[in-house]
Amino acid sequence: KNEVEQSPQNLTAQEGEFITINCSYSVGISALHWLQQHPGGGIVSLFMLSSGKKKHGRLIATINIQEKHSSLHITASHPRDSAVYICAALVGNQFYFGTGTSLTVIP
Amino acid sequence: DAGITQSPRHKVTETGTPVTLRCHQTENHRYMYWYRQDPGHGLRLIHYSYGVKDTDKGEVSDGYSVSRSKTEDFLLTLESATSSQTSVYFCAISGGNTIYFGEGSWLTVV
Repeated sequence: KNEVEQSPQNLTAQEGEFITINCSYSVGISALHWLQQHPGGGIVSLFMLSSGKKKHGRLIATINIQEKHSSLHITASHPRDSAVYICAALVGNQFYFGTGTSLTVIP
Repeated sequence: DAGITQSPRHKVTETGTPVTLRCHQTENHRYMYWYRQDPGHGLRLIHYSYGVKDTDKGEVSDGYSVSRSKTEDFLLTLESATSSQTSVYFCAISGGNTIYFGEGSWLTVV
């Protein structure tokens, strides 16, 4: 049983496209993180959400607490956005991770 | 960037040998975690710590032990390495609702 489900698992887009990655969770959360991992690289938190919406540059993250759903949007995608994006739900002091969405942006 | 470092970053070891990975933080965060990341499984919790000498098991703790004798250091030991423990290991620290990851340790057991 996965507490956190992500979709899609893999995503290929043309440069400039609008991208959406979805995350659903089945537990009560304190916060939700969107993480980014470049190939062979470390993992960084892009956003931490407990409600509403956050924007950083071309990235937008939203969360609907009632529906237990979050989305990560990338506007005007670029090849440097190619990475794995991971949704992580914080429950108490434990993190539950989705299996990730592998994004490839083609020039 | 949060101050969290892992060592070694890369290691090749033989089956049956003990291996220790070190996670060091300079943030004074209470919670520290060891995860392994494998294709198709995502990040899985091995052990975590909620204070000095306070640790608990995660979902994949068999074959691993941990110790935390100081706030800043969290050690992960593979008591007798097996090929199934070939993986990338990530340490993480958490304070409040934040999480920061180390750069990862690539371990190959041959």
